[in-house]
Amino acid sequence: GAGVSQSPSNKVTEKGKDVELRCDPISGHTALYWYRQSLGQGLEFLIYFQGNSAPDKSGLPSDRFSAERTGGSVSTLTIQRTQQEDSAVYLCASSPRGTGTLRSYNEQFFGPGTRLTVL
Amino acid sequence: DAKTTQPNSMESNEEEPVHLPCNHSTISGTDYIHWYRQLPSQGPEYVIHGLTSNVNNRMASLAIAEDRKSSTLILHRATLRDAAVYYCILRDPNDYKLSFGAGTTVTVRA
Repeated sequence: GAGVSQSPSNKVTEKGKDVELRCDPISGHTALYWYRQSLGQGLEFLIYFQGNSAPDKSGLPSDRFSAERTGGSVSTLTIQRTQQEDSAVYLCASSPRGTGTLRSYNEQFFGPGTRLTVL
Repeated sequence: DAKTTQPNSMESNEEEPVHLPCNHSTISGTDYIHWYRQLPSQGPEYVIHGLTSNVNNRMASLAIAEDRKSSTLILHRATLRDAAVYYCILRDPNDYKLSFGAGTTVTVRA
């Protein structure tokens, strides 16, 4: 079946411009996550959506970052007034649920990521 | 968050087993041990997870020490496709966030 897809795969932008990154999760997955991974760094949590609950935005690094998830499916991560330190790979993941002990709850399926370069 | 310690890198020959150690001496009673891997230019991929007992699946085996302060991911017969960064993490079942450190970079020689 189709996995998580993200677009664009690469984005080069100038400092100060706004960018939108898109994520299409696996159909039926209620949980959706955004992470970012800087060069040589680990995974950094950004935001979490679960069904109709209020999203957990605790990982967003500044108010220039925002995300929405429409109709419980597609999600868009928006970065306003991009800075050079925003350069990273932005990863989206989805899972059947967010928490629980079973693999079906735990396994997060990741997309290929969007590589953002801010010049 | 409880932390894990992994070697920076490991090398293996194709068709040979690979044993990836992970130390987690501050693990709590509710923490599950998870392994993900990330192939070059791809997103992370779930490998396996367990609590106390050893676990097996089609990708790997997870051996957990009796005191749970360490674990080992075992790739039974390494292939070139197994060359990746392997991450060992601890997760509470109620915590949905993943947080990776540097992981272990596995190189497989043909």
